[in-house]
Amino acid sequence: GQNIDQPTEMTATEGAIVQINCTYQTSGFNGLFWYQQHAGEAPTFLSYNVLDGLEEKGRFSSFLSRSKGYSYLLLKELQMKDSASYLCAAYAGNNRKLIWGLGTSLAVNP
Amino acid sequence: GAVVSQHPSWVICKSGTSVKIECRSLDFQATTMFWYRQFPKQSLMLMATSNEGSKATYEQGVEKDKFLINHASLTLSTLTVTSAHPEDSSFYICSARAAGPEAFFGQGTRLTVV
Repeated sequence: GQNIDQPTEMTATEGAIVQINCTYQTSGFNGLFWYQQHAGEAPTFLSYNVLDGLEEKGRFSSFLSRSKGYSYLLLKELQMKDSASYLCAAYAGNNRKLIWGLGTSLAVNP
Repeated sequence: GAVVSQHPSWVICKSGTSVKIECRSLDFQATTMFWYRQFPKQSLMLMATSNEGSKATYEQGVEKDKFLINHASLTLSTLTVTSAHPEDSSFYICSARAAGPEAFFGQGTRLTVV
């Protein structure tokens, strides 16, 4: 079956670094998305990894290991506004669907 | 990035009435549109996938007669919640995709059925 796992909640301190992990088991895997969602709002795109390795985009970086079925989102220099839910989604299958994780709720404390 | 506009942002309706939610891709042609439902503190639940000019594909457990989806053009899809009941109150989000893998999300619609 298709399965995405990520931690439910995480807490970090302003200015620190946090890593949010995501493991997936899917058939026909094509790539891995990370989205950020603030409460009451729609998700916004953060990254899309197709190849193995780390992709850096400002304070946010995303890593993918296809052989291990593993990804992480790395957030540096945390700010209060980074408090949100972070959703991992696998783009998989011939029907080109996104398979969503349940999201990791990140709380950034002063 | 591409822009998807969803309307209305919020709606309150009486139990038994129908509500239509629109999803428009403003600057690209969306070959596929997705409709999601999200309850508080839960992840996105895919309701259906629609391709322009064809019938929507509904996920298991989603009533197609209750949640009517129309994707009449490459820039517009609509979701109609028919005979709404309080348990249908939720956050409904659409997303649209062109040729590539990335899906662009609308702002979401907060539906409250009283």
